[in-house]
Amino acid sequence: KAGVTQTPRYLIKTRGQQVTLSCSPISGHRSVSWYQQTPGQGLQFLFEYFSETQRNKGNFPGRFSGRQFSNSRSEMNVSTLELGDSALYLCASSLADREYNEQFFGPGTRLTVL
Amino acid sequence: GQQVMQIPQYQHVQEGEDFTTYCNSSTTLSNIQWYKQRPGGHPVFLIQLVKSGEVKKQKRLTFQFGEAKKNSSLHITATQTTDVGTYFCAGQRNGVEYGNKLVFGAGTILRVKS
Repeated sequence: KAGVTQTPRYLIKTRGQQVTLSCSPISGHRSVSWYQQTPGQGLQFLFEYFSETQRNKGNFPGRFSGRQFSNSRSEMNVSTLELGDSALYLCASSLADREYNEQFFGPGTRLTVL
Repeated sequence: GQQVMQIPQYQHVQEGEDFTTYCNSSTTLSNIQWYKQRPGGHPVFLIQLVKSGEVKKQKRLTFQFGEAKKNSSLHITATQTTDVGTYFCAGQRNGVEYGNKLVFGAGTILRVKS
């Protein structure tokens, strides 16, 4: 089975721009979660999508948004980029048809905001 | 909101020594998961603990979940250079409203001197 894929792997943007990141989950996985990883704040939950619906949301401003398509692929968007948005953005997929299940992380998208 | 504290932040050991990292949640968890992230890599699932007082072993790794389902530990016996990386605990809570959300500890960075 192919793993979780994320594109692009690296991205450089300037303040004020917007960015869209893509995540393709493992085949059969219906849940996709997004996390932001920074040296200062660690791994922080952004949101989770399940069957095209946002099921849960972390404490991030409205500039961060996402969506999920019928094939479970997910995108996240960050508008009006700030320097502090520089981070590794990880997506994780899971089966989510049981209460407990592991999450499989993709390699991440490294976003640098200049 | 829910918090997961993890200590120590860093651990530098001589190869062959033991290593332990501890996690404590501010709320009762439905399960706790452990992940390992190698330098430059992404988190990789190690194990999930569900039951109160549960102990699981994977070769030299021993995982424990506290009786109150609020704390957990990972112990590595006789560390090897391949154990290098950051170890994260991540807690999940019961309830449909929490979905698949994981709250991560800050991680413990393990360095092994050969």
